[in-house]
Amino acid sequence: GAGVSQSPSNKVTEKGKDVELRCDPISGHTALYWYRQRLGQGLEFLIYFQGNSAPDKSGLPSDRFSAERTGESVSTLTIQRTQQEDSAVYLCASSLDGGSPLHFGNGTRLTVT
Amino acid sequence: AQSVSQHNHHVILSEAASLELGCNYSYGGTVNLFWYVQYPGQHLQLLLKYFSGDPLVKGIKGFEAEFIKSKFSFNLRKPSVQWSDTAEYFCAVRGSSASKIIFGSGTRLSIRP
Repeated sequence: GAGVSQSPSNKVTEKGKDVELRCDPISGHTALYWYRQRLGQGLEFLIYFQGNSAPDKSGLPSDRFSAERTGESVSTLTIQRTQQEDSAVYLCASSLDGGSPLHFGNGTRLTVT
Repeated sequence: AQSVSQHNHHVILSEAASLELGCNYSYGGTVNLFWYVQYPGQHLQLLLKYFSGDPLVKGIKGFEAEFIKSKFSFNLRKPSVQWSDTAEYFCAVRGSSASKIIFGSGTRLSIRP
């Protein structure tokens, strides 16, 4: 497809379980971002990948959160030992390079029960 | 570190009214500025952007924004809103070509038909 693809679209998990969220960016896009959007709130920056540079992890809220990206392709966001406050929509976006506008996916809605 | 403030949480207007949504950023150097829009049930999409040059930038659907460096502002305007402009609007800033993009908390715009 031509857009950013995220999976799953919805995820319900029990408190304490680990979850893995996936993002397929647009082909050729070197920059990839993860954001979190809690209900009724804005986008909270989590992590930024740019090419082969070290990722900017300054937005990750705790050491339970981690993300990886293989080259300039798929990225996974992992949340360990999920808590109820992790419930949110997790958005992935990619851009051609660090100076270009973002293209967003539809997000993964995570619900921790 | 850069930050963005959107002071209007929810704006309600009648059709044909004029719109101005405030956005102020905090960053000491060169910035790239963006407005993104999220229509109900859709993913975020770019409305307009400022990188350099003319501080008055025009975007899609009749929107425009003015970069005022001395005020650290990038307010969004539209002379006459339509019901279809009902959406959430996000201002965003990037402090340099290689750094993360930070979003404001968003402004929900409701248009009365």
